[in-house]
Amino acid sequence: DVKVTQSSRYLVKRTGEKVFLECVQDMDHENMFWYRQDPGLGLRLIYFSYDVKMKEKGDIPEGYSVSREKKERFSLILESASTNQTSMYLCASSPPGTGLKKLFFGSGTQLSVL
Amino acid sequence: AQKITQTQPGMFVQEKEAVTLDCTYDTSDPSYGLFWYKQPSSGEMIFLIYQGSYDQQNATEGRYSLNFQKARKSANLVISASQLGDSAIYFCAMREGGMHTGFQKLVFGTGTRLLVSP
Repeated sequence: DVKVTQSSRYLVKRTGEKVFLECVQDMDHENMFWYRQDPGLGLRLIYFSYDVKMKEKGDIPEGYSVSREKKERFSLILESASTNQTSMYLCASSPPGTGLKKLFFGSGTQLSVL
Repeated sequence: AQKITQTQPGMFVQEKEAVTLDCTYDTSDPSYGLFWYKQPSSGEMIFLIYQGSYDQQNATEGRYSLNFQKARKSANLVISASQLGDSAIYFCAMREGGMHTGFQKLVFGTGTRLLVSP
């Protein structure tokens, strides 16, 4: 079974802190994605990556950056956390050639910024 | 502008009844894909059904069917014979990026919370 692991289920940080959200997949997938989920707003794409060291902005990249140094790991970075970044963060990965019909999600990280 | 629109924030249905969840989309790309996902209270995202823009027939998967009306740019999900376990948030999504695999991404709607009552 494909496993997408997000390092923390719950995280509490203070305003201004640098925050790292880690996502690891074990199936050699090229495509990886970071979404945030907020009530009434659905899932919004922050960044995605289709290969090592490659990244593309999604719909709401402001305030975020990403790192993909190894194929299996896609990190989301909040350079200076703010309260409006309190949200559920979902990572997903997908193998190539499937048209995203096989998209595997992690269990999410609920981030609270105080 | 919203690329995926789900106008029903919440829906109620009685057990064993059918329910339709609305989804409209906006794209100028001739090649796209439409998806429906279910998110129960556990938070996991469960893939339900897929429709490609060139597919001639409406997709079906068990009790789920996708009513694809290309000219109207709608992709409604129909759940037949609702069960209590169908209570969840349902997301419509569209694949963007066309033929360039590396740039493909999934854009989601705001979701519809479905409650199934006994």
